[in-house]
Amino acid sequence: AQSVTQLDSQVPVFEEAPVELRCNYSSSVSVYLFWYVQYPNQGLQLLLKYLSGSTLVKGINGFEAEFNKSQTSFHLRKPSVHISDTAEYFCAVSPINSGGSNYKLTFGKGTLLTVNP
Amino acid sequence: GAGVSQSPRYKVAKRGQDVALRCDPISGHVSLFWYQQALGQGPEFLTYFQNEAQLDKSGLPSDRFFAERPEGSVSTLKIQRTQQEDSAVYLCASSFLGANGYTFGSGTRLTVV
Repeated sequence: AQSVTQLDSQVPVFEEAPVELRCNYSSSVSVYLFWYVQYPNQGLQLLLKYLSGSTLVKGINGFEAEFNKSQTSFHLRKPSVHISDTAEYFCAVSPINSGGSNYKLTFGKGTLLTVNP
Repeated sequence: GAGVSQSPRYKVAKRGQDVALRCDPISGHVSLFWYQQALGQGPEFLTYFQNEAQLDKSGLPSDRFFAERPEGSVSTLKIQRTQQEDSAVYLCASSFLGANGYTFGSGTRLTVV
């Protein structure tokens, strides 16, 4: 089984400041890692994903994340945020295994990023 | 269509009432998923279809929850005798590549009063 911990439930920042949203996971097997964003009253939109290869992953809207296997972390970063980045951000994992439940996403509880002017 | 469509967007049900939530996946996506998102929580897996076959229903919280996808396209999530704890946003997603290619719908917000 997998679990995901998002250490901060809320992160307030000022516009144009850098931000880091933290994500740690636990799993007995290797996993794929994802960050999703959810704007109010909308579904989830994929920001970025780590499947293999370079541990630094770049996504949409200027976000990036770094996979650290030894620390079982996948923190999300943006060097300069905009008001429009205000949303809920979810970290998620799915197990890498053939014939198993590799279709299932396990989510963290989310981090509400609020960007203030 | 271009995205995953869910209807209704909002549903208010009286306790004990039956409800049906609809999901239209992206055309050609063989995989379809339902997730439940309680207030202030992340989405939690309910069930998974590959075409018309329900391959995993391990996340359905009780036998009051039932999902179907009879022709391998549109899916319906039915909740019988709704209870207050069923209040949540129900998200549908479809995929062509398993977990690597999910597209989520906007969800149905169910409020049981």
